[in-house]
Amino acid sequence: DIQMTQSPSSLSASVGDRVTITCRASQGISNYLAWYQQKSGKVPKLLMSAASTLQSGVPSRFSGSGSGTDFTLTISSLQPEDVATYYCQKYNSAPFTFGPGTNVDIK
Amino acid sequence: QVHLVESGGGVVQPGRSLRLSCAASGFTLSSYTMHWVRQAPGKGLEWVAVISNDGSNKYYADSVKGRFTISRDNSKSTLYLQMNSLRPEDTAVYSCARVTSAGRWSDAFDIWGQGSMVTVSS
Repeated sequence: DIQMTQSPSSLSASVGDRVTITCRASQGISNYLAWYQQKSGKVPKLLMSAASTLQSGVPSRFSGSGSGTDFTLTISSLQPEDVATYYCQKYNSAPFTFGPGTNVDIK
Repeated sequence: QVHLVESGGGVVQPGRSLRLSCAASGFTLSSYTMHWVRQAPGKGLEWVAVISNDGSNKYYADSVKGRFTISRDNSKSTLYLQMNSLRPEDTAVYSCARVTSAGRWSDAFDIWGQGSMVTVSS
């Protein structure tokens, strides 16, 4: 099975900072990669699909890139409401594995 | 409005069974592939199982294969997860999730239920 890894596992940045989260698949998954945001006690929210397609209503400060095995989620200017755990997920085929998550906090 | 509402969770002893339900509203369940995802307390998201829109294709995570069964009754707009031989490590919030586009198998999850807590403990 394809394994998903994320780095860093956690980060703390200042408001307005540019933040980048990396997701890596152990084998190529084309662009079948989604990013989710989960705030404390809440249901995960789909931010991005097809590696770089922003979901409706998601702020444009979020962007995604990558294809194959290496992907990134970037927040261009971190806001207090972005405090959350971010998960990548492969969805090309079963198992639809999630990455371990990246906790983002405000410094 | 599109909604998924899980029910059936609770406290159960190791080795026993439990069946979760996920009631869908606001969309035609029969058009969508559906998933179960779980999250143990303080841990990350773990994909559990998937079922195609017509129920003909099903896949499971290795951690639940042979113990859990995913099914659906499109006439009742309900998804199910039958959980047998439960273990303490199955303790988690179980959520159902819908894929974004009707008719697609390989797709991200855009609608999630609030989840149902399952605690396996003696």
